[in-house]
Amino acid sequence: SQTIHQWPATLVQPVGSPLSLECTVEGTSNPNLYWYRQAAGRGLQLLFYSIGIDQISSEVPQNLSASRPQDRQFILSSKKLLLSDSGFYLCAWSVGGGTGELFFGEGSRLTVL
Amino acid sequence: SQELEQSPQSLIVQEGKNLTINCTSSKTLYGLYWYKQKYGEGLIFLMMLQKGGEEKSHEKITAKLDEKKQQSSLHITASQPSHAGIYLCGADSGGYQKVTFGTGTKLQVIP
Repeated sequence: SQTIHQWPATLVQPVGSPLSLECTVEGTSNPNLYWYRQAAGRGLQLLFYSIGIDQISSEVPQNLSASRPQDRQFILSSKKLLLSDSGFYLCAWSVGGGTGELFFGEGSRLTVL
Repeated sequence: SQELEQSPQSLIVQEGKNLTINCTSSKTLYGLYWYKQKYGEGLIFLMMLQKGGEEKSHEKITAKLDEKKQQSSLHITASQPSHAGIYLCGADSGGYQKVTFGTGTKLQVIP
C-alpha cells in the first residue's frame, strides 16, 4: 500500500533562518507531488506541484522553493524565512496521469518568530 | 482562477441533528472533491463528483453536484462527535489534479 511521510512535524525558526521540509512517498511510482500551505484565515493554498523529477511548477510568487531530487521525494526550502511564512504545510501526492483524489501527509507546522 | 466559496464558515450542531455544507464555484466544476480535516492533521478524502446531478454516499455522508456543475452540497445525517472537523471542498483547476480548495467549514458536534 502507498504511504506518505512528511517531516519534521513541528518547527520553530527565527526570521532569516533557512528552511527544509521533506516529503517521501512509498509504494507508488511517478506520482504527482504537491506542497500546500494552510495559513490562519487563508484556506489551503497550492504552492508547488511536480509531475516528474526536476519538473516543478510554482503557483504563487513567494519566498519558498521546491525541489524533487528523486521520483518520490519532494523538498520545500527557503534561504531566509519571513514571518509570513508561518503556517501549516501539507505535502500530497496523486496518481500520475490519473484522475482521482489527493493523498495528504500529516503536515508540518512552521512558526517563524 | 477558480474560486470556491463555502458556507457556512462554521457550524455547531447537537448530536443526532442533520446538517448541510455548501460549496459554490465561480466556474463550471469538472471535478469536485470533498475532504475532512481534523485540527493539525492532514486531509482525508471523502468523495469525488464529476457529473452533473451526481450523488454519492458513504455511511452517513452524502454529497451532490448540481446539474449546472457549479454548486455542491455535503449532507450529514444524524451527526456524531466523530463528524467534527473542518470540511473542505476542492476543484480540479487545470489538469495534473491541481486542486483549488475552498476556505473550509468548521463543524462542531455537541454530545
